[in-house]
Amino acid sequence: AQSVSQHNHHVILSEAASLELGCNYSYGGTVNLFWYVQYPGQHLQLLLKYFSGDPLVKGIKGFEAEFIKSKFSFNLRKPSVQWSDTAEYFCAVQTGANNLFFGTGTRLTVIP
Amino acid sequence: KAGVTQTPRYLIKTRGQQVTLSCSPISGHRSVSWYQQTPGQGLQFLFEYFSETQRNKGNFPGRFSGRQFSNSRSEMNVSTLELGDSALYLCASSLAGAGEGTQYFGPGTRLLVL
Repeated sequence: AQSVSQHNHHVILSEAASLELGCNYSYGGTVNLFWYVQYPGQHLQLLLKYFSGDPLVKGIKGFEAEFIKSKFSFNLRKPSVQWSDTAEYFCAVQTGANNLFFGTGTRLTVIP
Repeated sequence: KAGVTQTPRYLIKTRGQQVTLSCSPISGHRSVSWYQQTPGQGLQFLFEYFSETQRNKGNFPGRFSGRQFSNSRSEMNVSTLELGDSALYLCASSLAGAGEGTQYFGPGTRLLVL
């Protein structure tokens, strides 16, 4: 069965620090990969996605992610976080069907 | 373009009752998926509807059911509510194709079962 692992449950950073959130999945076939963000009191929003092509994808608000097929990973990065990035981040995998398998989420707290 | 809308936003029910939640997808989107979000289990897929047919189903008991109408609006029903059904229920819509659809989420319906 497919599974998605997010290694960090809670990350606390100071503003301007760099961010990297890990995501690994287990599935041997072709996958689409997503990062969603859930700001406090708001609904899940798409941050970025990977379907094919360049494994380095850029999303909104300065976020990017790199797909490394050999490592089954899709880590999220941002060079300099802001207080407004405080949110919960979810990695998700889509296989042949349309449904998404989500990781357990990483809560990011950015201290001003 | 209006986003995914869900009604009601909040709901309080008692054990044994049933509940119906509604979801209106983004205009032009034909696929609607439902997810349950809880602190303990995270986000779990319930089912997906496409062209009024259930196309995919997660690992939930038969008390959870859904349907989709010709205008792509979808409803989800939970019968014989249990305390453990307390959760945020999210609806997501996507354009069409299986395995190729970016899903856009609504604000959710927060259900509390007492």
